[in-house]
Amino acid sequence: DVKVTQSSRYLVKRTGEKVFLECVQDMDHENMFWYRQDPGLGLRLIYFSYDVKMKEKGDIPEGYSVSREKKERFSLILESASTNQTSMYLCASQGFISTGELFFGEGSRLTVL
Amino acid sequence: GQNIDQPTEMTATEGAIVQINCTYQTSGFNGLFWYQQHAGEAPTFLSYNVLDGLEEKGRFSSFLSRSKGYSYLLLKELQMKDSASYLCAVSGSSNYQLIWGAGTKLIIKP
Repeated sequence: DVKVTQSSRYLVKRTGEKVFLECVQDMDHENMFWYRQDPGLGLRLIYFSYDVKMKEKGDIPEGYSVSREKKERFSLILESASTNQTSMYLCASQGFISTGELFFGEGSRLTVL
Repeated sequence: GQNIDQPTEMTATEGAIVQINCTYQTSGFNGLFWYQQHAGEAPTFLSYNVLDGLEEKGRFSSFLSRSKGYSYLLLKELQMKDSASYLCAVSGSSNYQLIWGAGTKLIIKP
């Protein structure tokens, strides 16, 4: 079975703290994505990566950065967490452009106080 | 701008049939996806349509009309476990980026 694993299901952080969210996939997929999901809104793309050390901004990259040092691992970093970054964060991987199927991790629910 | 519309919530009865609609306006079209998301869980892939017509997969079918910018997901013989949110997403001008609808929460009643 394909698997995308996110490091933390639930996190509570304080404003100004640095936050790391990690995602690992075991499918040897080239493409990996970070989304945030908020009630009443569609998934919004923060960043994606199509290869090791390659990244592109999505729709809402402000306040976030990413790191992809190895093919299987894609990290999302909040340099200085703010309350408006309280959300559900979903990581996904994608193997083939022609099918486009995304495999999602179970999500990391971040609360910033 | 780019936009995807789907109903916020629908209610149906166990054993019945329900149709969840999705309309879209995007610059470019490379396919439309449906995902299922149970509360507190990850979205999981249900279907992909790139050509007009109906794709059937067991109890679930998905239809696409590119000229109308319209798709629907048809769920037959509803079961309680089908209670979930159903997300419509379109691959537009970029192969990497999907445009997502806000999702339709489907409530199944006995």
